Parts: sequence; structure tokens; C-alpha cells
Amino acid sequence: DAKTTQPNSMESNEEEPVHLPCNHSTISGTDYIHWYRQLPSQGPEYVIHGLTSNVNNRMASLAIAEDRKSSTLILHRATLRDAAVYYCILRDRGAGGTSYGKLTFGQGTILTVHP
Amino acid sequence: DVKVTQSSRYLVKRTGEKVFLECVQDMDHENMFWYRQDPGLGLRLIYFSYDVKMKEKGDIPEGYSVSREKKERFSLILESASTNQTSMYLCASRGTGPRYEQYFGPGTRLTVT
Repeated sequence: DAKTTQPNSMESNEEEPVHLPCNHSTISGTDYIHWYRQLPSQGPEYVIHGLTSNVNNRMASLAIAEDRKSSTLILHRATLRDAAVYYCILRDRGAGGTSYGKLTFGQGTILTVHP
Repeated sequence: DVKVTQSSRYLVKRTGEKVFLECVQDMDHENMFWYRQDPGLGLRLIYFSYDVKMKEKGDIPEGYSVSREKKERFSLILESASTNQTSMYLCASRGTGPRYEQYFGPGTRLTVT
């Protein structure tokens, strides 16, 4: 699986935007970029995913570089409830085989949000 | 909302005991997964199942087995628990099709003494 690199930790103030970077220089053409987050004492939860174009949903936005070697998760207005570990994961689109759906988690970025 | 439930939030077992961790999902998902999470090591895939009675080894299957007799239920079995299996265990499920997100349960914190 292609690897991702994220900063170990980041800090933000409440109600400010947060940009969480992810490098994935060995990404292949069939890899989707997924973001999950894990709040304290909970299982991970899906945030967003994309392939080539920027994506928006109710939780966040995903900005993907033109060469797809990096991406940025954007929280437009951080709240205290956004304090979590954020994981950037590459997943094959699913050319077949039973590894379809498997996620490989890295260490993620610990986001601290200050009031 | 998708619900993935796990039988226990906390479990304490003795070395050598047989341990069953149960996971149930209510969204008719084909794919189910068991991970363990340890400090400094992140989440690691133990086993997954893509259909009833079908299973595949993940990255760290040693010391574990699984059972999937019904579509909604995926069990993780520790045949003879050891202290190095003390960990947080997370179950997840995922459907097929263009939506790829996995839904995770709340986790079971297992302590083996």
C-alpha cells in the first residue's frame, strides 16, 4: 500500500480554520484519498474521501493537489469537538481481490483545539 | 444511521482463557473487519470477512481466529489469551459500491492478566 506522511500534531483555536496536510508522493492512479478521525475513547469515523477533484461535505473539505502527491483536509471553523486524531489513508479503488475495502492506518495527526 | 455494536466496552480475562469478542452491524454490509489499536502502533488489521463464512488474514492474524456464520455478526476469537493481546479491539463494517467508508464500533478494551 502506498504510504502517507502527516505531522504528528497540530494546534488550532476554536472557530478558526484548520488545514491538516498529508503527503502521499507514491500514490497510484487508482488510489482514493480517505480521511478518518478518532475522537477520544471512540472508534474512528469517516470524514471525507476523494480521487482527483476537491470535495466538500458537511464535516470538512478535501483539497487535492493537481499532481495528487499531497492533499489537505480543511475544517472551516474548528470546534472543541473536532479535537481528535486525523488519519489520511490511501485506498485502492478496487481492481478486484479480497483486499477491497482494507484500510491501512498510519499514526495520524493529533489535533488540539484551544478555546 | 449505521450502527456497529460490540459486545463489551471493557473485558478482563486471565492468561490461557478462550475469549470471544462479538460485533454486530445493522446495515446489511458484506465486509467486516477486526482491528487492534495499541499506543505507538496505530490500528492494525487482524482479520476481515467479505461474505458469510469467508475470511482473510490481515496484517497480524497470529493468535486469533474469526467466525462469520451470519452476515450481520463477526466474531473474533482468542483461543488462548496472552498478556500481549491486551489491547483495544475495534470492529468495522463496510458495504460495497461507490461509497467506501468504513463504520467502526466503539471498541472493546481487553486486559489479559
